[in-house]
Amino acid sequence: DTGVSQDPRHKITKRGQNVTFRCDPISEHNRLYWYRQTLGQGPEFLTYFQNEAQLEKSRLLSDRFSAERPKGSFSTLEIQRTEQGDSAMYLCASSPRTGSNEKLFFGSGTQLSVL
Amino acid sequence: AQSVAQPEDQVNVAEGNPLTVKCTYSVSGNPYLFWYVQYPNRGLQFLLKYITGDNLVKGSYGFEAEFNKSQTSFHLKKPSALVSDSALYFCAVRDDSWGKLQFGAGTQVVVTP
Repeated sequence: DTGVSQDPRHKITKRGQNVTFRCDPISEHNRLYWYRQTLGQGPEFLTYFQNEAQLEKSRLLSDRFSAERPKGSFSTLEIQRTEQGDSAMYLCASSPRTGSNEKLFFGSGTQLSVL
Repeated sequence: AQSVAQPEDQVNVAEGNPLTVKCTYSVSGNPYLFWYVQYPNRGLQFLLKYITGDNLVKGSYGFEAEFNKSQTSFHLKKPSALVSDSALYFCAVRDDSWGKLQFGAGTQVVVTP
């Protein structure tokens, strides 16, 4: 069971720097989601892809955030000019089909700390 | 628009006693409801889901949830809690426009021996 893989597990950066996270979904899962979770809160939706198409972006996702899934397989989330408020756990999830009843499979997340 | 409310930040229960974690929801269409659990330093794990049909849904690790349409609730239950059930529990909802999954703020469950 390969599961959803996220890299790195932890990232410490200085304010103003750019960071990029990678997510490898379960093979052949065509939906991929990015969420952000801060301490004491539930995961907040950021964006999701169906294959390589980005179908929805949250208003939480400022212009400093960009996500790609170029070949419909792995995805990257880039944050430019990081701010301290970006410190959070960034979660990736995938699902095998597009139905509303499909559960999400989550990775362990990337913990970002912006100093 | 869709939203989820988990009114309790924390639930404390003694091992062997029944456990209930509350969740209410709001969606514009038909609801699809989920419960996830998060253990420390681990990703969210799926417990169960309600789609249609029987209002009592059985899931992993002995958990079940009861869907109540009139009260727009989907409470998670376990007849006899274990210390190992101590974790963070999230309720989530999606409507039938099959977009994003909306999560509640979470309820910390503490089961004491």
